[in-house]
Amino acid sequence: DAGVIQSPRHEVTEMGQEVTLRCKPISGHNSLFWYRQTMMRGLELLIYFNNNVPIDDSGMPEDRFSAKMPNASFSTLKIQPSEPRDSAVYFCASSSGGLETQYFGPGTRLLVL
Amino acid sequence: EDQVTQSPEALRLQEGESSSLNCSYTVSGLRGLFWYRQDPGKGPEFLFTLYSAGEEKEKERLKATLTKKESFLHITAPKPEDSATYLCAVQASNFGNEKLTFGTGTRLTIIP
Repeated sequence: DAGVIQSPRHEVTEMGQEVTLRCKPISGHNSLFWYRQTMMRGLELLIYFNNNVPIDDSGMPEDRFSAKMPNASFSTLKIQPSEPRDSAVYFCASSSGGLETQYFGPGTRLLVL
Repeated sequence: EDQVTQSPEALRLQEGESSSLNCSYTVSGLRGLFWYRQDPGKGPEFLFTLYSAGEEKEKERLKATLTKKESFLHITAPKPEDSATYLCAVQASNFGNEKLTFGTGTRLTIIP
């Protein structure tokens, strides 16, 4: 089992550029979660999908952020345009749904200059 | 709004010195409380799920307990490899809800 796969692992970009983060969930899992982790605010849920459908996007900070899940094995989180305050570690997690355990990927460390 | 508060923020212990980490929560009906361990530069790693007050779970030197307002993670005779940040999260019982609300964690350092 490869676990949750995220790419890239590190991203450095300049303010105003578009950033796309990618996630491959664990095979067979039907729920996928995007989190952001900062020193100040800890780990916060941005959005989650169930069976490829967005269920709760109340944590998405603003219209600059968007997420898609075109199929059961792939999701993207896009920031356009990026700003320095978006610098954080972004985690993807997946689960079998409901109260089942969420398994986290290794994260993407984003730095916006 | 669901809230999770963890204390202390940081804890330094000598190897073999037992202690407890606290997780206080406010949630509109608890569906489950989760403990994760996070090592630097890595994603959170699942440890335990507790579902109801009075429940306890153990894994090696760790034991998690749950009351109606808080959870404790007890660490018995810790070793340096137990050094990590420990995160607590709650899931509310709203129908269909899968959202986890996390605390900011306790950074544990075990000194050899």
